[in-house]
Amino acid sequence: AQSVTQLGSHVSVSEGALVLLRCNYSSSVPPYLFWYVQYPNQGLQLLLKYTSAATLVKGINGFEAEFKKSETSFHLTKPSAHMSDAAEYFCAVSPMNTGFQKLVFGTGTRLLVSP
Amino acid sequence: GAVVSQHPSRVICKSGTSVKIECRSLDFQATTMFWYRQFPKKSLMLMATSNEGSKATYEQGVEKDKFLINHASLTLSTLTVTSAHPEDSSFYICSARDPSSPYNEQFFGPGTRLTVL
Repeated sequence: AQSVTQLGSHVSVSEGALVLLRCNYSSSVPPYLFWYVQYPNQGLQLLLKYTSAATLVKGINGFEAEFKKSETSFHLTKPSAHMSDAAEYFCAVSPMNTGFQKLVFGTGTRLLVSP
Repeated sequence: GAVVSQHPSRVICKSGTSVKIECRSLDFQATTMFWYRQFPKKSLMLMATSNEGSKATYEQGVEKDKFLINHASLTLSTLTVTSAHPEDSSFYICSARDPSSPYNEQFFGPGTRLTVL
């Protein structure tokens, strides 16, 4: 079964520092890949997605992610963290064996931003 | 962008009662909606896929008689937690797929916090 691994349940950065949230997927066929952000007691907001076009994907709020097939990775980055970036981030895949219909989520990474 | 709403946002009920949660696509017609469950500090677990006009498809391990799903129109799906127990307490999130959006993108509702006493 398709799985998604997010290394690090918590990541702490200082305001202005680089943000790197890691995501690896298991699949021989590249799926569609997504990053979502969730603020407390809210639903999920799509940050960006990879759908087999450009490998470097730019999203909202200054985030971007690079799809690396050789590493089966889709890490999320932002050059300079802002206090408002503190939230839970989920990587998700939409596997080909579901016809790209379903989403399988990673366990999430909580980003903490200190002043 | 596509907007999905959920109602209620919070509900507290007594053990043994049933609770209905509504999921609506506000500005598009959704032939497919999804229901997820999220435990504290945990990821989202897909419970079922709700298809308009047909029976929902439940994921393995999800009791279909416990979690009743109805998708009676192209803009509304409901999840009814029957005979709720404290272990059903959770954050329930729905999503809807906009058929006009490429790559089967799902748009998520704000979630419903269910607490069973």
